[in-house]
Amino acid sequence: DQQVKQNSPSLSVQEGRISILNCDYTNSMFDYFLWYKKYPAEGPTFLISISSIKDKNEDGRFTVFLNKSAKHLSLHIVPSQPGDSAVYFCAANYGGSQGNLIFGKGTKLSVKP
Amino acid sequence: DAMVIQNPRYQVTQFGKPVTLSCSQTLNHNVMYWYQQKSSQAPKLLFHYYDKDFNNEADTPDNFQSRRPNTSFCFLDIRSPGLGDAAMYLCATSRGWGPGIYGYTFGSGTRLTVV
Repeated sequence: DQQVKQNSPSLSVQEGRISILNCDYTNSMFDYFLWYKKYPAEGPTFLISISSIKDKNEDGRFTVFLNKSAKHLSLHIVPSQPGDSAVYFCAANYGGSQGNLIFGKGTKLSVKP
Repeated sequence: DAMVIQNPRYQVTQFGKPVTLSCSQTLNHNVMYWYQQKSSQAPKLLFHYYDKDFNNEADTPDNFQSRRPNTSFCFLDIRSPGLGDAAMYLCATSRGWGPGIYGYTFGSGTRLTVV
């Protein structure tokens, strides 16, 4: 049973536009969420995180929004660049920033010039 | 640069023949994790070491074992690989248990093919 769901396997966006990647979770105990980015032939790299005490966290072009009542989070990339083309994984855990991460299946983002 | 290194990048093994994947880190992190990722699936945690303490996930098959002889190295042993064990195996580290504020640091992975 998947506890972290990324229902869109792929997303295509024009360069300069906004990319919105979505993630849903089922476990209400999750209180810490992360996004990872993965290029082909490389391991995932940490992108941004958010604690459940917040509803938004911003880092440059990347913003993560958390809607706890809907058990939904999203990653916004503005403006999107071709170098952002990668697979994006949503991950969650409980215990604050401790504990094992549960990953979603990932969404492949393609940013077209 | 401090990093997590996995060797080899690609491994082909025969059905039923034991295989070992290796991971090393220069970050001096306390915790090392092994994840299995099958095609189009989420990475799935197999086990982790907190220092020398081994923690197995409940649904990790007995076919999978791990060793951590020192802080820097961790090995994944698959005793009798089956076709279903073909996957990308990811090693990750963290300073304490869990991602902390900086997330895990991952290696580039080893893609295992079973023939």
